[in-house]
Amino acid sequence: KNQVEQSPQSLIILEGKNCTLQCNYTVSPFSNLRWYKQDTGRGPVSLTIMTFSENTKSNGRYTATLDADTKQSSLHITASQLSDSASYICVVSVTGGGADGLTFGKGTHLIIQP
Amino acid sequence: NAGVTQTPKFRILKIGQSMTLQCTQDMNHNYMYWYRQDPGMGLKLIYYSVGAGITDKGEVPNGYNVSRSTTEDFPLRLELAAPSQTSVYFCASSWKTGNEKLFFGSGTQLSVL
Repeated sequence: KNQVEQSPQSLIILEGKNCTLQCNYTVSPFSNLRWYKQDTGRGPVSLTIMTFSENTKSNGRYTATLDADTKQSSLHITASQLSDSASYICVVSVTGGGADGLTFGKGTHLIIQP
Repeated sequence: NAGVTQTPKFRILKIGQSMTLQCTQDMNHNYMYWYRQDPGMGLKLIYYSVGAGITDKGEVPNGYNVSRSTTEDFPLRLELAAPSQTSVYFCASSWKTGNEKLFFGSGTQLSVL
């Protein structure tokens, strides 16, 4: 069964600090891995999409890494801001899975304190 | 651009009542999806559509129905509401599958009491 596990479940850090969120997956055959940011009361918004051949992808202060051999990904947030408080969702897509080929993680709830 | 618009934002239903969650997108996307998000769980796919007139079941379709008469609109119908359908519902769209990102609406919070 395809699974996506995220850790930690929740995280509290001080404004200006860096943090790293983890995603492990057992999805096969792997197509791509996505990170989404979900603000409270809003829908998820795409941060990055990485295919098998991509190790790193950045979007401003967000940097995602992918190790397809160990089936792990991380999302690193640099110099956190209050607006980074949100849930971060890891999503993995299977090759040939079509519109129903996405497996969603439960998310990491990040709180940035002033 | 409005993107993906969902209505209503909140709704309370009594057991056995029916309702339609509306979803419209203005990006001319072929693919549209309905997901539900339960507390502490990952999003689950209810139904999806690959174009006007074509719909298919996702992982958790029981108790729901959809239609896709136009490219823009993809309503989700709950016929006999049950407490298990209490959830937050998200509509999403994409140009195609593969490496295309999903664009989500802001969600409908539904409580069935």
